[in-house]
Amino acid sequence: AQSVSQHNHHVILSEAASLELGCNYSYGGTVNLFWYVQYPGQHLQLLLKYFSGDPLVKGIKGFEAEFIKSKFSFNLRKPSVQWSDTAEYFCAVNSVAGTALIFGKGTTLSVSS
Amino acid sequence: GAVVSQHPSRVICKSGTSVKIECRSLDFQATTMFWYRQFPKQSLMLMATSNEGSKATYEQGVEKDKFLINHASLTLSTLTVTSAHPEDSSFYICSAREPTSGVTYEQYFGPGTRLTVT
Repeated sequence: AQSVSQHNHHVILSEAASLELGCNYSYGGTVNLFWYVQYPGQHLQLLLKYFSGDPLVKGIKGFEAEFIKSKFSFNLRKPSVQWSDTAEYFCAVNSVAGTALIFGKGTTLSVSS
Repeated sequence: GAVVSQHPSRVICKSGTSVKIECRSLDFQATTMFWYRQFPKQSLMLMATSNEGSKATYEQGVEKDKFLINHASLTLSTLTVTSAHPEDSSFYICSAREPTSGVTYEQYFGPGTRLTVT
């Protein structure tokens, strides 16, 4: 069965610091990978997604993620975080486009100004 | 982007009663919707896949008779928690998939419904 692990439960950064959130999945076949963000009191929003092609994916709000197949990883990065990036971040995967997503446990990011 | 709404956003009910949660795709037709459950500080766990006009597909361990799902139209799926108990208290989130969006089949999430059973 597929599973997703997010290594960091809670990350605390100062504004302008760089961010990297880890995500590893367990599945041997082709996967589609996603990062979602959930701001306080709001619904999940898609940050970026990878289906195929260039393993470096750029998303909204300056986020990017790199798919490293050999490491089964899809880490999320941002070179300089802002206070407004404070939120919960979820990594997710599915093996067939359009099917339900398997989520990681999420990482809480707190950015201090 | 597409919008998915849920109603109600919060509900408190007494143990033993039933609660219905609605999930609507507001500006697109969704042949498939998904229902997730999220516990505090936990991940979203898939409960069931709801397909318009057919029976829902439930994940292992999810009681079909307790969590009734009806996807009666292309814009509405409902989740009814029957004979609710305090352990059913949770955050329920739906997502809707556009029927055709190329190969990606992007999913759009509702804002969630906080259920508290007293």
